[in-house]
Amino acid sequence: DTGVSQDPRHKITKRGQNVTFRCDPISEHNRLYWYRQTLGQGPEFLTYFQNEAQLEKSRLLSDRFSAERPKGSFSTLEIQRTEQGDSAMYLCASSRNSGSIPPGELFFGEGSRLTVL
Amino acid sequence: AQTVTQSQPEMSVQEAETVTLSCTYDTSESDYYLFWYKQPPSRQMILVIRQEAYKQQNATENRFSVNFQKAAKSFSLKISDSQLGDAAMYFCAYKEGNNDMRFGAGTRLTVKP
Repeated sequence: DTGVSQDPRHKITKRGQNVTFRCDPISEHNRLYWYRQTLGQGPEFLTYFQNEAQLEKSRLLSDRFSAERPKGSFSTLEIQRTEQGDSAMYLCASSRNSGSIPPGELFFGEGSRLTVL
Repeated sequence: AQTVTQSQPEMSVQEAETVTLSCTYDTSESDYYLFWYKQPPSRQMILVIRQEAYKQQNATENRFSVNFQKAAKSFSLKISDSQLGDAAMYFCAYKEGNNDMRFGAGTRLTVKP
């Protein structure tokens, strides 16, 4: 399977703990996005990378959140000192910056569901 | 900031019938892209159809078509010959240049057999 993969698919943690999610994008995609989706809502943008550079961060990304893409391939999203309000599905998506596919189409992973008790 | 509004939280359609999902957006730009994504229960989001704003012709993908009204900033999705497998959350999305993709709150589509 050459789609976007995310790990773990589901994480249950206690409030105050740190969690880390990993995303492996489609290999030839140089853009990688993180979104958060709460129940009954559409995905909300968190941050995105072009190669290893983090180009944009949403104001939703508080200082407890950090994302990295050290080698321009996989990415990690870490949440420190988790709060119950962090419970959500965290979606990763990737895209090409240019090429035959029109810019902008995102390919999504299945998401990592976080439950904070 | 660009916003995307889906005014129908839920819709239902009889199998084999046609349904239209509404979407409006707000932008001051003239060049952008619009998308409809489908999210089946517990499954990943997949692209259904996309529309480039500079194209006047409405996009069509098999049973899925859009009605793009640029002046009205409206982008509705029509599903013809609805099938049980069409049941899902549908999200309208907007993207401009290198900016992030913005999504509406979604419409839950139920298909009745």
